[in-house]
Amino acid sequence: LAKTTQPISMDSYEGQEVNITCSHNNIATNDYITWYQQFPSQGPRFIIQGYKTKVTNEVASLFIPADRKSSTLSLPRVSLSDTAVYYCLVGGNSDTGFQKLVFGTGTRLLVSP
Amino acid sequence: DAMVIQNPRYQVTQFGKPVTLSCSQTLNHNVMYWYQQKSSQAPKLLFHYYDKDFNNEADTPDNFQSRRPNTSFCFLDIRSPGLGDAAMYLCATSSGDSTDTQYFGPGTRLTVL
Repeated sequence: LAKTTQPISMDSYEGQEVNITCSHNNIATNDYITWYQQFPSQGPRFIIQGYKTKVTNEVASLFIPADRKSSTLSLPRVSLSDTAVYYCLVGGNSDTGFQKLVFGTGTRLLVSP
Repeated sequence: DAMVIQNPRYQVTQFGKPVTLSCSQTLNHNVMYWYQQKSSQAPKLLFHYYDKDFNNEADTPDNFQSRRPNTSFCFLDIRSPGLGDAAMYLCATSSGDSTDTQYFGPGTRLTVL
């Protein structure tokens, strides 16, 4: 299983763009990259998933370079409510479709006024 | 609309007294997972069910068991809780058809006295 490395914490201010980078040097060919957000005392919430290049949804963008050894989650114009822990995970499905997720340490994002 | 429901949200038990945590889903997903998350740590997978097939993680203590009587429900049984088992227990589901999203419940916070 590919291990991931993220910054332990990041600070930002409201209205700024936040980019969180994740390293996954030994990502496998069939692995996808998935980001989750977790607030205190809640379960993780899916943010975005990608395999290569760029993925964008209503919440965030995910940038994946050609070698796929890293990825960057981009949160546009963060607000106070974006203060949370962000987890980067890599994994692929087995023949049974099981996607084993191994959570890394995550990045604690603190957004200040 | 709740999709993954965990009951109770808070559970207090005594040292050594068996406890059961409950998870139900309205998504009709094939796969159900149980994670343990201790304070300020990342979620750790304990085991999962693909349909009725049970898959235990190698480092999950024997003290932890699980049952899945039907597609919708899955239970986590802790036979003899110790102080070190105090944690948030997260249930998640996924369709298992492809590399897809895991949907997490709100978690049950277990306190062991």
